[in-house]
Amino acid sequence: AQKITQTQPGMFVQEKEAVTLDCTYDTSDQSYGLFWYKQPSSGEMIFLIYQGSYDEQNATEGRYSLNFQKARKSANLVISASQLGDSAMYFCAMREGPGTGGFKTIFGAGTRLFVKA
Amino acid sequence: DGGITQSPKYLFRKEGQNVTLSCEQNLNHDAMYWYRQDPGQGLRLIYYSQIVNDFQKGDIAEGYSVSREKKESFPLTVTSAQKNPTAFYLCASKRSVNTDTQYFGPGTRLTVL
Repeated sequence: AQKITQTQPGMFVQEKEAVTLDCTYDTSDQSYGLFWYKQPSSGEMIFLIYQGSYDEQNATEGRYSLNFQKARKSANLVISASQLGDSAMYFCAMREGPGTGGFKTIFGAGTRLFVKA
Repeated sequence: DGGITQSPKYLFRKEGQNVTLSCEQNLNHDAMYWYRQDPGQGLRLIYYSQIVNDFQKGDIAEGYSVSREKKESFPLTVTSAQKNPTAFYLCASKRSVNTDTQYFGPGTRLTVL
């Protein structure tokens, strides 16, 4: 079954440093999409970055980059130059393929990031 | 301004009562989704709709019902059959079922008293 695993329940990082949030996934589909969302304490889910399974380059969006290692089935999020406003819950997600999940998206359990001043 | 709205932001319900959560989008998206989030956990799919007048059960549909009579609206009813309805409910949409990025509304926090 398709699955997303985030093994870090909580992470601390010093302001201005980089941090990596881990995500591994399991799927038998050849075509799939990987996402990261940020959830501040207010609750809304904010889309950060997307990586398609056929994309050869790692996705980048400003201070966010996705370290995609297809053979290892990992899709780690790297946040560079952390800011206090980055303190939030971060979710890794995968869009399933047409055959197994009807293009549904499944979510990991999340990692709570704390940025220290 | 295009986006997804959910109302109300906070909702209190007595046990045994049905309650309907609103979700509206003006993004002209075909696909819409309802998720439930419990404290400290990820999102679980309740129902989704790929097109108007069509919807499918997600992983935890028991005790919930939906309708999709208009493209822009996908209300969720939490019925008295849902044993533990206190949770945070998030609505999402995307352009079509086989496009990738979902966009989320601000959520409704439901508390059963």
